[in-house]
Amino acid sequence: DAGVIQSPRHEVTEMGQEVTLRCKPISGHNSLFWYRQTMMRGLELLIYFNNNVPIDDSGMPEDRFSAKMPNASFSTLKIQPSEPRDSAVYFCASSLAAGATETQYFGPGTRLLVL
Amino acid sequence: SQKIEQNSEALNIQEGKTATLTCNYTNYSPAYLQWYRQDPGRGPVFLLLIRENEKEKRKERLKVTFDTTLKQSLFHITASQPADSATYLCALDHSTDKLIFGTGTRLQVFP
Repeated sequence: DAGVIQSPRHEVTEMGQEVTLRCKPISGHNSLFWYRQTMMRGLELLIYFNNNVPIDDSGMPEDRFSAKMPNASFSTLKIQPSEPRDSAVYFCASSLAAGATETQYFGPGTRLLVL
Repeated sequence: SQKIEQNSEALNIQEGKTATLTCNYTNYSPAYLQWYRQDPGRGPVFLLLIRENEKEKRKERLKVTFDTTLKQSLFHITASQPADSATYLCALDHSTDKLIFGTGTRLQVFP
């Protein structure tokens, strides 16, 4: 299995632009998570889905952030408009099932820089 | 508020020694605790899970303890090797489905 796939791996954009991050979870996994990692705040959960349905988006910082999962093999995280404080590494992770005992498998991350 | 603390300072040890990393939490009553390893430029990788009713868990050179009274988990790597150099994250369950991660401790093992 190729593991969790994220694209792009790196993104540099200017403030105000729309940014779309993409994720393909491991085939057969039913839960998908989006995280953001910064030096100051560590790894923060933004939103997670179970069976393509958003369950908890309480970590989404504000309305500029939105996430979708149109099917079991694809999810997007969109930032519109982007701001310099959004600069971070964004990780997507998937797990076989829902539950805090499930192992989460992380993708390689997208390093976002907003100028 | 709920808080997870890991030593933000890097831990530097000599090859062959035992590395011990600490994860403390407050205002939590987690049922599970997980440890992950993260290498530079990569996503975290799962290492071990320990339940609240387990005092200790081992996997090869790794050992994790979970003290719900002290609200602390210790992560040990015995006979450490330079290849063990990485950042180690602890994560606690925040609800039935969510994990909350600590900020991680960077371990550097010198030959």
